[in-house]
Amino acid sequence: DQQVKQNSPSLSVQEGRISILNCDYTNSMFDYFLWYKKYPAEGPTFLISISSIKDKNEDGRFTVFLNKSAKHLSLHIVPSQPGDSAVYFCAATPSLIKAAGNKLTFGGGTRVLVKP
Amino acid sequence: KAGVTQTPRYLIKTRGQQVTLSCSPISGHRSVSWYQQTPGQGLQFLFEYFSETQRNKGNFPGRFSGRQFSNSRSEMNVSTLELGDSALYLCASRTPRGGGQETQYFGPGTRLLVL
Repeated sequence: DQQVKQNSPSLSVQEGRISILNCDYTNSMFDYFLWYKKYPAEGPTFLISISSIKDKNEDGRFTVFLNKSAKHLSLHIVPSQPGDSAVYFCAATPSLIKAAGNKLTFGGGTRVLVKP
Repeated sequence: KAGVTQTPRYLIKTRGQQVTLSCSPISGHRSVSWYQQTPGQGLQFLFEYFSETQRNKGNFPGRFSGRQFSNSRSEMNVSTLELGDSALYLCASRTPRGGGQETQYFGPGTRLLVL
């Protein structure tokens, strides 16, 4: 049972255009969401996060939107750059439940290719 | 500040053997988590250690175990290796401040190939 899903395994976008990555979740206990970026042969790098009390969080070219009623979040990258080519993972955690500890539930990832 | 380090970076084993992977967290980080990444299953949580105690465990068989030392370094062990254990094993550390919203920092991973 995949609690976090990224339905698009890959995405190709032209440099300068917007990249939109989507993520859906089923567990209503999730209240904190993160996006990680991963290059080959490296560990995931934290990109941006959002708490369930917000519906938008912005950091430079990266913006995450959260729609709690739809259990959906998206990551927008504007403008996309060739260096953004990587695999992007969304992750979720029920942060208010102490027993959850450090456990993140990840989606399957979306491979983004930004063409020059 | 040095990042999370994992050793070895690459490992080849045969079925039935056992393997031990090591993780050194960022200095000051007391929580260490382990994840398995495979092409088919994505990133899956294995377990978390905090102050030498296992605090959380994912849905993996008992062949997967771990421990944490007093200096917060952690090891994970996989016994009786199976072909399906071939994966990238990632370690992540953080300093819990409560609320679970702290960022985890990942190491580069250990690539395990089971033949």
